[in-house]
Amino acid sequence: KAGVTQTPRYLIKTRGQQVTLSCSPISGHRSVSWYQQTPGQGLQFLFEYFSETQRNKGNFPGRFSGRQFSNSRSEMNVSTLELGDSALYLCASSLGLGDTQYFGPGTRLTVL
Amino acid sequence: GQSLEQPSEVTAVEGAIVQINCTYQTSGFYGLSWYQQHDGGAPTFLSYNALDGLEETGRFSSFLSRSDSYGYLLLQELQMKDSASYFCAVRSNFGNEKLTFGTGTRLTIIP
Repeated sequence: KAGVTQTPRYLIKTRGQQVTLSCSPISGHRSVSWYQQTPGQGLQFLFEYFSETQRNKGNFPGRFSGRQFSNSRSEMNVSTLELGDSALYLCASSLGLGDTQYFGPGTRLTVL
Repeated sequence: GQSLEQPSEVTAVEGAIVQINCTYQTSGFYGLSWYQQHDGGAPTFLSYNALDGLEETGRFSSFLSRSDSYGYLLLQELQMKDSASYFCAVRSNFGNEKLTFGTGTRLTIIP
């Protein structure tokens, strides 16, 4: 069974731009969560989707948004990029809410 | 809210045993998970404890004491490839049920 896939793997943007990251969960998994990982802050929860609905949200500004499609694939969008948004963005999928999460390889975003 | 504490760095000798501790504070509790992350890689799931006691998976074991809000990951017969960061994570069952990660323990294995 294929694992979680994320595209793109690497991305370079400039301040003020916006970016969309994509995540395809493991087949059969209906829950997708997004995390931001930085050296200083560790793994920070962004949001979790289940059945196309956002179920949980972390403490991030409204510039960070996401959505989930009927096939469980998910996208997250960051608008008006700031230098501090440079991070590894990880997507994790699970069968359902509260189940073990399996991570994708991440998207490395660099904001210049 | 939730908070977890774990040591930032641990060094151990190849072939030895090492224990990585995790203490947590949370409103409500589902269980404690452990993840391994190599440099440049994604976190990979190692183990999950919902009840008190020891769970063994090969060279790795994980322990939980709910009354003490404490758990640990035990790695035996250490190999060089075990050098990585290890994260404990807790999901609460109260309110916003997000998965909260500790800050990670960087384990370095020396020959």
